Amino acid sequence: DAGVTQSPTHLIKTRGQQVTLRCSPKSGHDTVSWYQQALGQGPQFIFQYYEEEERQRGNFPDRFSGHQFPNYSSELNVNALLLGDSALYLCASSGETGTAVSYEQYFGPGTRLTVT
Amino acid sequence: DAKTTQPNSMESNEEEPVHLPCNHSTISGTDYIHWYRQLPSQGPEYVIHGLTSNVNNRMASLAIAEDRKSSTLILHRATLRDAAVYYCILRSNFGNEKLTFGTGTRLTIIP
Repeated sequence: DAGVTQSPTHLIKTRGQQVTLRCSPKSGHDTVSWYQQALGQGPQFIFQYYEEEERQRGNFPDRFSGHQFPNYSSELNVNALLLGDSALYLCASSGETGTAVSYEQYFGPGTRLTVT
Repeated sequence: DAKTTQPNSMESNEEEPVHLPCNHSTISGTDYIHWYRQLPSQGPEYVIHGLTSNVNNRMASLAIAEDRKSSTLILHRATLRDAAVYYCILRSNFGNEKLTFGTGTRLTIIP
């Protein structure tokens, strides 16, 4: 059973460019959350998707947007990249389809984004 | 969000028990106490969670103070593989709520 997968593993972009990161949740999970982790810090919540809708959002600007597909996979898009967007971007999935509550989030290995 | 306070770092000898403390004096009645850890170059992984009673699983034990204002994660016999950053997180009991990470405790295991 594959866990959470993310692509690409690493990415280098230039200021002002746009980037798309991808995430496939653990089998059976229907909820995807995205986190940003700067070097030496704990992950910070960006947003969460459920039933193809953004359900919760953290304190991130509108440059950060996302999407969830019918197969529960998700994308994170960041526009007009800034140097400060350089970080590890983590995807986490949760929620067994058809059940009410899931206490555990499963994280992928992350995508390391470097903005130059 | 209610906040947690953890020591920045701790060291422990291999094969000895480790007690990782967490203070959460502003915890609300609906907050569960969750612990995650992040091994080097990996995403965080769930360790354990509890509400009021002490909890045990294959990875660790969680001891919760009677007033719920503090808790302790216990690794019964630390191995080198347990070297990681450990995060104590308060989370609403409504499930699928976001995780609010602090800076955690960096645990070093001494061979």
